[in-house]
Amino acid sequence: EEQLVESGGGSVQPGGSLTLSCVASGFRFSDYYMHWVRQVPGKGLVWVSHINGDGSVIGYGDPVKGRFTISRDNARNTLYLEMRSLRVDDTAVYYCGRGGVPAAKDVWGQGTLLVVSS
Amino acid sequence: QSALTQPPSASGSPGQSVAISCTGTSSDIGMFNFVSWYQQQPGKAPKLIIYEVTKRPPGVPDRFSGSKSGNTASLTISGLRPEDDADYYCSSYAGSPNLYAFGIGTKVTVL
Repeated sequence: EEQLVESGGGSVQPGGSLTLSCVASGFRFSDYYMHWVRQVPGKGLVWVSHINGDGSVIGYGDPVKGRFTISRDNARNTLYLEMRSLRVDDTAVYYCGRGGVPAAKDVWGQGTLLVVSS
Repeated sequence: QSALTQPPSASGSPGQSVAISCTGTSSDIGMFNFVSWYQQQPGKAPKLIIYEVTKRPPGVPDRFSGSKSGNTASLTISGLRPEDDADYYCSSYAGSPNLYAFGIGTKVTVL
């Protein structure tokens, strides 16, 4: 079964840092683009970042540019999102998603909640 | 990042059809045939139901169909079933700098 499992969420103060992880199983991880998408509870989805299979192509949404860094370790089947200078409006559930079909995410993790609050 | 425009809610009785619109611009929906739709049940992760405007992933019933005209995409659910009660989000590839736009979501209620 193709599966993604996120971890690393929690509570952090404004200005702090945190790294999220997403472990993939059931498919050849290195073959796929991977994405991070976030959702404020009760609100809509927002694309955060993506990375291609070998890590050579990376993109970020404007709200996180310069503060978040996406990376992957294909040997560990793991996707990361390093988040710095966190703000209250970064509070959200963060999902990782597989880019298994053109311009869409066909496998999603269960999400991990980040709360940024003083 | 500009959000795509969706109606906040839609409803129908079991067996009926419901259509959800998703309006973007000539820089996203109008430019690319990369519109996708996601279904999200409460407390769950989104699930892909349509990609590349009209294609369904394996296992998605053919009751779900997608279309596009100009800057507006649409999702139609035919033969509504109670399990279709969920939030639905559209998304479009939008090119640089913010590569993917999402809609604000439509709550579909099966009466």
